[in-house]
Amino acid sequence: QVTQSPSSLSASVGGRVTITCRASQNIGTFLNWYQQKPGEAPRPLIYAASNLQSGVPSRFSGSGSGTYFTLTINGLQPDDLATYYCQQSYRAPPLTFGGGTKVEIK
Amino acid sequence: QVKLVESGGGVVQPGRSLRLSCTASGFNFGSYGFHWVRQAPGKGLEWLALIWFDGSNQFYADSVKGRFTLSRDNSKNSLSLEMASLSDDDTAVYYCARERRDLAIALLDYWGPGTLVTVSS
Repeated sequence: QVTQSPSSLSASVGGRVTITCRASQNIGTFLNWYQQKPGEAPRPLIYAASNLQSGVPSRFSGSGSGTYFTLTINGLQPDDLATYYCQQSYRAPPLTFGGGTKVEIK
Repeated sequence: QVKLVESGGGVVQPGRSLRLSCTASGFNFGSYGFHWVRQAPGKGLEWLALIWFDGSNQFYADSVKGRFTLSRDNSKNSLSLEMASLSDDDTAVYYCARERRDLAIALLDYWGPGTLVTVSS
C-alpha cells in the first residue's frame, strides 16, 4: 500500500512542487511516478524512484527509498497541470497506486 | 510508433458481461507483458490484471478475480479482457498498458487512450 500527500496543491509558475508517497513497508526503490493530464491516459515520469523516463523534462525529479519517496517539480510550468500518481511494484503483482495529487497553477 | 487502442466499452446492465479488446502496433507485441488499469469517474487508478508476454500466466486484483479473464493473441497483436457479473462498481475508464521489459521494476510505459464502461440498468 502507498499513501500520497497532499491530495491537492496549488503553486505558482516557476515555483517548486514536492509530492510525497509513503509505503506501508520497505519497498526498496520499487516506486514509479506517473502524470495524468485532464482527459488523457497516464504517462510515466520517473521509474525506480529516481530515474527519469525518456522524453520527460529535467524539471521533474524523484528521490527516496524504503518507505519514503518524493516527486519534485522545479520550475512549475502551466503544462504541468495534472494529477500525479505513485505506483509501487515490490513483489508485484499486484501493482498498487497512490491516491493521486492534483496540481493546480495559481 | 508504439500505439495501443482499447475498444468494446459501452453501457451494460448489471450482472451482464462485456469483452474489451486492446490492439497494439509499432513494436514486437509478443515480447511484452500487458496490464489493465481502470479509473472510476473522478477517482484514482486501480490495477486490475497482468498477462505475461507469452500468455502463460495471468494475475488479477482481488476485486476482479473470478469475474475477469485476460487473454492475448500474439498472432493478432491483441488482448482481450472478458468481464462478467458486472456491477455499478465496475463503471470506469479501462486502460491497457504495456510493461517496459528491460527493468526489474514493473513500469507501464505506454498506455492506450482508454475505453469507458458504464454499468447501468
